[in-house]
Amino acid sequence: QVQLVESGGGVVQPGRSLRLSCAASGFTFSSYAMHWVRQAPGKGLEWVAVISYDGVSEDYVDSVKGRFTISRDDSKNTLHLQMNSLRVVDTAVYYCAQSTAGGVFDIWGQGTMVTVSS
Amino acid sequence: IVLTQSPGTLSLSPGERATLSCRASQTVSSTYLAWYQQKPGQAPRLLIYGASSRATGIPDRFSGSVSGTDFTLTISRLEPEDFAVYYCQQFGTSPLTFGGGTKVEIK
Repeated sequence: QVQLVESGGGVVQPGRSLRLSCAASGFTFSSYAMHWVRQAPGKGLEWVAVISYDGVSEDYVDSVKGRFTISRDDSKNTLHLQMNSLRVVDTAVYYCAQSTAGGVFDIWGQGTMVTVSS
Repeated sequence: IVLTQSPGTLSLSPGERATLSCRASQTVSSTYLAWYQQKPGQAPRLLIYGASSRATGIPDRFSGSVSGTDFTLTISRLEPEDFAVYYCQQFGTSPLTFGGGTKVEIK
């Protein structure tokens, strides 16, 4: 069935790096734009980044520009989020999501928790 | 674009009607407005896209509408499984944004 499975979360100190992955199955991964969305503990949803279906274009929320990089490996049906210079405020559950129609999030992963703490 | 959802919390009983509001700070085409449901410990689930089209498998007690910059999600008769947090989202203008959410709780 259609599935997204995130991995790579954990506890990291401020200023350090972490790389999240999202393994896709059950659909033609290379045909879809993919996103990362995060949710701080007890808070709402915040869109983080998008990569186009062909990997040509990317976009980020201002608060992560220059620190986070989204990428995709269509040969492995995997989405990545490289997070550098992490801050305490980046602490959240990170979800990957498939989008259609430009930004409707049809399919979500179960999320992976990132905790930035000294 | 800032999406303001109201009320923050809605306390209702099963069988009652729920009306959730989402107001945009700028014009959002109805094409680019979606609603999601999130239960504790779970990922969000798509309910409505294009402001009024139900996603696959969503019961018809869920409906969406729009009037100007005001979007509404209506649950005609609340079932026990409908008590959750609901978010609106716009994707017509970058950055994509979500509203702050409305929690529908059991009264």
